[in-house]
Amino acid sequence: DARVTQTPRHKVTEMGQEVTMRCQPILGHNTVFWYRQTMMQGLELLAYFRNRAPLDDSGMPKDRFSAEMPDATLATLKIQPSEPRDSAVYFCASGLSREAFFGQGTRLTVV
Amino acid sequence: QQQVKQSPQSLIVQKGGISIINCAYENTAFDYFPWYQQFPGKGPALLIAIRPDVSEKKEGRFTISFNKSAKQFSLHIMDSQPGDSATYFCAASTGANNLFFGTGTRLTVIP
Repeated sequence: DARVTQTPRHKVTEMGQEVTMRCQPILGHNTVFWYRQTMMQGLELLAYFRNRAPLDDSGMPKDRFSAEMPDATLATLKIQPSEPRDSAVYFCASGLSREAFFGQGTRLTVV
Repeated sequence: QQQVKQSPQSLIVQKGGISIINCAYENTAFDYFPWYQQFPGKGPALLIAIRPDVSEKKEGRFTISFNKSAKQFSLHIMDSQPGDSATYFCAASTGANNLFFGTGTRLTVIP
């Protein structure tokens, strides 16, 4: 059963610390998205990649967020330094044509 | 600016009733309109999708109605069941593949 795998599922960290979230997309998918979900803003696109190349990261605060795809099986989203306003659920999704399949998310709490 | 407007924010329906969720968009470049279902603690899951060359698509109890001239589309859940209680998101994308999501509708189906 192919699925997008995200780690960790939960992360509690102190303000100022670095946070790295990882995503294993579905094998064969060439597009990877990072979304952030909050009650106030809903689902926001942070960045997405096609064939490992970044296509759009305009939704990310550039000074503290970075997204990379070191290889086709791993996507990372890093926040440094983290702030309480970054508390949210971060979703990775992957796709091949028009569909996007979501992982279970990483719930980040910055205290 | 919200690219896709969704209503209502919440919906309560009796078991067996019809649930209707509406979405509207402005960008005529959108050419793919999926609906996602999200249960608490899970990522959004693709439910059903439509392209603008058809006015309706049905899969089981779920139907998308699409009105291209009005730039509106809706999800109808027939014979609603308690297991359908979830948050539903409409979305839209262009050929670039980035999905723009509505703000979500929390559906509660009362037994």
